[in-house]
Parts: sequence; structure tokens; C-alpha cells
Amino acid sequence: EAGVAQSPRYKIIEKRQSVAFWCNPISGHATLYWYQQILGQGPKLLIQFQNNGVVDDSQLPKDRFSAERLKGVDSTLKIQPAKLEDSAVYLCASSFDSPLHFGNGTRLTVT
Amino acid sequence: RKEVEQDPGPFNVPEGATVAFNCTYSNSASQSFFWYRQDCRKEPKLLMSVYSSGNEDGRFTAQLNRASQYISLLIRDSKLSDSATYLCVVSLYNQGGKLIFGQGTELSVKP
Repeated sequence: EAGVAQSPRYKIIEKRQSVAFWCNPISGHATLYWYQQILGQGPKLLIQFQNNGVVDDSQLPKDRFSAERLKGVDSTLKIQPAKLEDSAVYLCASSFDSPLHFGNGTRLTVT
Repeated sequence: RKEVEQDPGPFNVPEGATVAFNCTYSNSASQSFFWYRQDCRKEPKLLMSVYSSGNEDGRFTAQLNRASQYISLLIRDSKLSDSATYLCVVSLYNQGGKLIFGQGTELSVKP
């Protein structure tokens, strides 16, 4: 089966700029997650979708981060404006029950 | 206190050594438990689930102690290819199965 697809793989932006990441989950996976992984740390959940509804966004910095999954399939994560501390790998994952299947991630560098 | 805490690394061991990773979790609502493996600059991948009775997969043995809220992973006869970061993961049944990751323990197996 095709895995979780993410793009872009790498992104370098200056602070205060905007950036968007895209994720296409595994076909049939109703649950989609965005994680942020800072170097040397484990992944931290930003937002969890069940189909196109939000299940958990308690750790999403909503003043600058937004995410949507309009048709219950693809999802986008946006940061506006970016800060230096947003430099991290943004991982998308999907699941049908357990376990999680991760995409390759987008490595964001904010300068 | 972190919800999921792992041994700080890195662990540097020779080929053929036995190495054990420990993980503790603080939330008694934790329902399911996993070990993920993450290679450098790659996404996390499921290594094995952890069952109450303990389970083994080849050279890998996982143990769970619910009373002590403790999980372990034992790797026997370690190989160079085992070098990676090992992430302890717990799922919270009262938060829609939300997965919480530990910070990871890095293993380096040397010839």
C-alpha cells in the first residue's frame, strides 16, 4: 500500500514569513495527525483529525498555527507568522485503529 | 513531570551486547503501549506493541508493568543495524487514543 505522503521535504523561511505543509494519508485511514518533532525530542502532537473533524488540538499554538482537513482526506498545516522556535520536523501520520503510519516529514528551518 | 519519560542516552554498546531501555509513564489512563524506532533523519516506525504478558519478537523483548507504570525493551545480541533512537509511546484511552511519545533513547552499536 502507498504510504503517507508529505510535501515539501524541506523548507527554509525567514521569521515572520508564512509556510504551509501538505499531507495525504494512507487510503481509508480516517484518523490523521500532525506532530512536531524538535531535534533531540520525541514527536509532540499538534492536532488530531477524525475524518474532517478535530479530535484534539490542545497543543496547537492557535495564534500562529492552523490546520484543516476539508474533505476528510488531505490535510494542510500552516504557520503564520513563523518564529525561530518553529524550526523542527513536521510529521504527518495516519491510522485505522493502531498503529500510526508516519510520512517522511517536512524539515522546517526558520532563520 | 513528563507524561512519558525514558532513559537519557546515548547508549554506546559493542556488537553482540544486550541492552535494556526503560520507560515510565505518569497517566494511569494509559491503555496501549508501543516501542517505535527512528533512524537518523527518518520518520518513526513501529517496532513492536507491548502486551501485559510481555512479548518477544526475535532478539527484542518488551515488558509492561502496569502497577509500576513501567515499560522496558530488551535487545539481545545487538547488531550494527540496531543503531537508532527508540521511542516509548503510550496511548490514552480517555483522550481518544491520543499517543504520547517519550523523548527517545539513542542507541549506537559499535563494531
